[in-house]
Amino acid sequence: GAGVSQSPSNKVTEKGKDVELRCDPISGHTALYWYRQSLGQGLEFLIYFQGNSAPDKSGLPSDRFSAERTGGSVSTLTIQRTQQEDSAVYLCASSLAGATSISPLHFGNGTRLTVT
Amino acid sequence: LAKTTQPISMDSYEGQEVNITCSHNNIATNDYITWYQQFPSQGPRFIIQGYKTKVTNEVASLFIPADRKSSTLSLPRVSLSDTAVYYCLVGSFNNAGNMLTFGGGTRLMVKP
Repeated sequence: GAGVSQSPSNKVTEKGKDVELRCDPISGHTALYWYRQSLGQGLEFLIYFQGNSAPDKSGLPSDRFSAERTGGSVSTLTIQRTQQEDSAVYLCASSLAGATSISPLHFGNGTRLTVT
Repeated sequence: LAKTTQPISMDSYEGQEVNITCSHNNIATNDYITWYQQFPSQGPRFIIQGYKTKVTNEVASLFIPADRKSSTLSLPRVSLSDTAVYYCLVGSFNNAGNMLTFGGGTRLMVKP
């Protein structure tokens, strides 16, 4: 079946502009995650959704970052007034939410954001 | 959340067995241990998951000692295509949330 789809795959924007990144999770996956990965670095957790709710938003780097999920499916990550330090690959993952174990995360290939 | 510690990098040669160890001293009772593989320009891919003792699948084995404070990913007979970054992830599901934090990963270089 189809995996996690992210769009756009690449985005170049000017400093100060707003950007919106989209994630289409695997159908039926109730959990959705956003991570950020800077060049050559590990994955930085941003936010997690269970259904349409985000129990923990503490990973978002600043109030310029926001995310929403509608219909328990598609999610968008919005970055307002982008800064050069926002340049990174933004990865989305989805999983089934198990009651006693961690279901594997299925990642998309990310959106590479470059802020000039 | 259990913090994980892995070697930053490892080198190996084709055909050898590679063992990557992850330390997670603060692992909680409900936590599972999951390993992911990441190639350049791709998202991480699930390799294997375990709770205790040994788990084996077609790709790798995962060894977890009784105290669960560490785990070892074993890749048998690696090939050049196994060159990637390997992440150890420790976490559990609970109704309050499911924030899963990755460690820095181990960059494996397989040489001919």
